[in-house]
Amino acid sequence: DGGITQSPKYLFRKEGQNVTLSCEQNLNHDAMYWYRQDPGQGLRLIYYSQIVNDFQKGDIAEGYSVSREKKESFPLTVTSAQKNPTAFYLCASSIKATDTQYFGPGTRLTVL
Amino acid sequence: GEDVEQSLFLSVREGDSSVINCTYTDSSSTYLYWYKQEPGAGLQLLTYIFSNMDMKQDQRLTVLLNKKDKHLSLRIADTQTGDSAIYFCAESRAGRRALTFGSGTRLQVQP
Repeated sequence: DGGITQSPKYLFRKEGQNVTLSCEQNLNHDAMYWYRQDPGQGLRLIYYSQIVNDFQKGDIAEGYSVSREKKESFPLTVTSAQKNPTAFYLCASSIKATDTQYFGPGTRLTVL
Repeated sequence: GEDVEQSLFLSVREGDSSVINCTYTDSSSTYLYWYKQEPGAGLQLLTYIFSNMDMKQDQRLTVLLNKKDKHLSLRIADTQTGDSAIYFCAESRAGRRALTFGSGTRLQVQP
């Protein structure tokens, strides 16, 4: 089955800890994205990558970091510098930037 | 202001038609999309329309595009309780880094 997977589905973190959210796709897409969604709000772009070994900051990159060492993987690290990390995180991919995006099932992060 | 705007909430009765509206500001938009999000899930692509089209129909879904007014709508015929979800409008523009999403419209279908 082709698609985008995110793990874990639920994640709990203590304050001061870094956590890494996984995103994998087997669609052979060049571009990948991370969004944050807060209750009752739309999607805000955290980071995006148009090609392997390259990534760019989105609108709310502070407190987050990413890597793109492989085409199929785009992990997101939520660092302790992120002041309010509790949210729903969505990963997406597209053939190329600005093409149709396909989304993973999301990871809900809760800071205790 | 927001690049893409949607109303927050729509309530309809089962069997009625639903119309969800979206306005955008940039006339250089190339594609416009509708996504559906069910509770606790990711976004599911429903349909999209190229900017040189006026209408696209796909089973119960009809997309209308008024480029002059920069207005996009999604009509769901014979709305079912399974259609209850949040619907996001998004636009693609040449040279932009990613899609631009609206804040979503919550559709509530009453039995």
